[in-house]
Amino acid sequence: SQQGEEDPQALSIQEGENATMNCSYKTSINNLQWYRQNSGRGLVHLILIRSNEREKHSGRLRVTLDTSKKSSSLLITASRAADTASYFCATAPSGGYNKLIFGAGTRLAVHP
Amino acid sequence: DAGVTQSPTHLIKTRGQQVTLRCSPKSGHDTVSWYQQALGQGPQFIFQYYEEEERQRGNFPDRFSGHQFPNYSSELNVNALLLGDSALYLCASSGGTSGRAYNEQFFGPGTRLTVL
Repeated sequence: SQQGEEDPQALSIQEGENATMNCSYKTSINNLQWYRQNSGRGLVHLILIRSNEREKHSGRLRVTLDTSKKSSSLLITASRAADTASYFCATAPSGGYNKLIFGAGTRLAVHP
Repeated sequence: DAGVTQSPTHLIKTRGQQVTLRCSPKSGHDTVSWYQQALGQGPQFIFQYYEEEERQRGNFPDRFSGHQFPNYSSELNVNALLLGDSALYLCASSGGTSGRAYNEQFFGPGTRLTVL
């Protein structure tokens, strides 16, 4: 079974708009990672946020983590058509060996 | 610096056959994890190899087995293939320090397995 759940399942926006995706999980974690996947190809690592961090930025990406609510969000600002992809959150449970538990993903479509 | 590589890219097998997938980790990484991704779903953890041993396993039957070589590359073997084994198989590498550090995992392009 998958621990994480992304919300929404699908998101359609226009270029230039911001896209926000949410992720919830069930157990305590060491870190949470966000990945992008284009058309069923390999996963591209976007950002890692550790359990003692609350917010992290990377270029147009902003990730927040609320461990009390067991939730995270990914914000992509000024979206581009090239951002069209599936986005997954993955948690590394505490006490494990960095195995990742993925949600079902959010499918983002950015229209020119 | 080559990233994670996997071979083959695509594979078609019939039920009951056996398959071997291969993975070479990113340079400097010593830990390899395998994931199965069914169509429309997120990846599911199969197992992880470190120092040539399986150290953690997900909820997959014994038909799924693996190996890690001294150069850190890895193989995933699936015996007695079922239709439900059709999926994208992803390899990820990480580590490079103690092997226990919680670091980013870098994924390969995957092997698309179709079982007929």
